[in-house]
Formats: sequence, structure tokens, C-alpha cells
Amino acid sequence: AQSVAQPEDQVNVAEGNPLTVKCTYSVSGNPYLFWYVQYPNRGLQFLLKYITGDNLVKGSYGFEAEFNKSQTSFHLKKPSALVSDSALYFCAVRGRESGAGSYQLTFGKGTKLSVIP
Amino acid sequence: SQTIHQWPATLVQPVGSPLSLECTVEGTSNPNLYWYRQAAGRGLQLLFYSVGIGQISSEVPQNLSASRPQDRQFILSSKKLLLSDSGFYLCAWSSLDYQETQYFGPGTRLLVL
Repeated sequence: AQSVAQPEDQVNVAEGNPLTVKCTYSVSGNPYLFWYVQYPNRGLQFLLKYITGDNLVKGSYGFEAEFNKSQTSFHLKKPSALVSDSALYFCAVRGRESGAGSYQLTFGKGTKLSVIP
Repeated sequence: SQTIHQWPATLVQPVGSPLSLECTVEGTSNPNLYWYRQAAGRGLQLLFYSVGIGQISSEVPQNLSASRPQDRQFILSSKKLLLSDSGFYLCAWSSLDYQETQYFGPGTRLLVL
């Protein structure tokens, strides 16, 4: 079974400072990894994904994430946080098995990011 | 470009009443479709997914059912709502290639009283 852990329920960061939202995963074989952002009462918006290749993935709105296979981590980062980045962030994983259920994403519980002016 | 619609946006229903939530996708064909429930603004629970018309897989036995009457239409239903059915319901689509990203609709907020 695959799983995702987001160890921090909430992360607070000052505007202009770098931010990191942590994610670790467990999956059989090589993973597909995703980050999504959710604003209040809205659907999830796709930020970025790791499929293969370069371990540093760049995504929307200046976000990036680093895939670390040995630590089974996929932390989300941004060099300079904006107040508008305040939202709920979800990490998700999917294994590469084929067959029934192979399309399923497993989500973490989410991390609330608050950027303080 | 592809877009995904959900309606209604908000719904307040009494316990024991029926439910029908609709999701449609535009700008793509043969998508995989998904229903998720999000409780208390946090974790997502996959309820159903479909890889084609009439093909529904259920992840969690419960009071809900899903149908896919057309290629780009996905419906979530219940015959009798329970209080525990309250939540934020999200529909998502992805292409048939299992590497592809899931894209989410705006969601339906359901409150069962």
C-alpha cells in the first residue's frame, strides 16, 4: 500500500523568507509525486509533479520541489514567500504498478501555510 | 483547453433525502474520472473512479453510488443522505495515460442537517 506523510499541520513563515513544506512517501517501486494547493472553498490546483529525470522540479507560481529517493521525500520549496501563498498544500503519490487501481493518487493530510506580512 | 465543472456549488439537504451531484469535463475525450470527499478542510478520500462509460470502481463501501452515463459526465448519488455525508465533494479528471496529472473541479459543499 502507498502512503504519504506531511508531518506539519501548519507552517508559518514571514513574507520574503524561504518556505519549505515537507512530504515523505512510501510506495512500491518508483513513485509519481505531485503537489497541489487549495485555497478556501476551492478545488485543488496542480502545482508540480515528479515523474522521472531531474530531481529538482519547477512548477507554478515560483514553487519547486526536490525528489530525494534515499530519504523518500519530496519537499516543496519557494525562495521568497508571498502573503498570497497562504493556503493548504497537499502532497500526493502514485505507484507505477499497472492494473486495477493504478490510477489512484494517495494524498497526505495537508499542511496549512500561513505567510505573515 | 480542458475545463471541469461541478454543480451545484453548495447544497443543504435534510437527512434521508436523495442526492445527485454532477461533474462534467470539456475539451478532452475518454478521461479517467474521480470523486473525492474532503472532510473538515483536510484530507481527501477517494470514493469512486471510472476509466470508461459504465465502469465504476468503489473505494469505500458507503451510502453513496456513482454513475457515468456519458464519456465526460460523472454523477454522485445517494438514495438517503446521512449526517456523515456532509463534506466537500471534489471531482477530478486525468487522461488515460497513468502518468498524467489529476485536475480538480471547483467542488460542491454539502451540508446534511
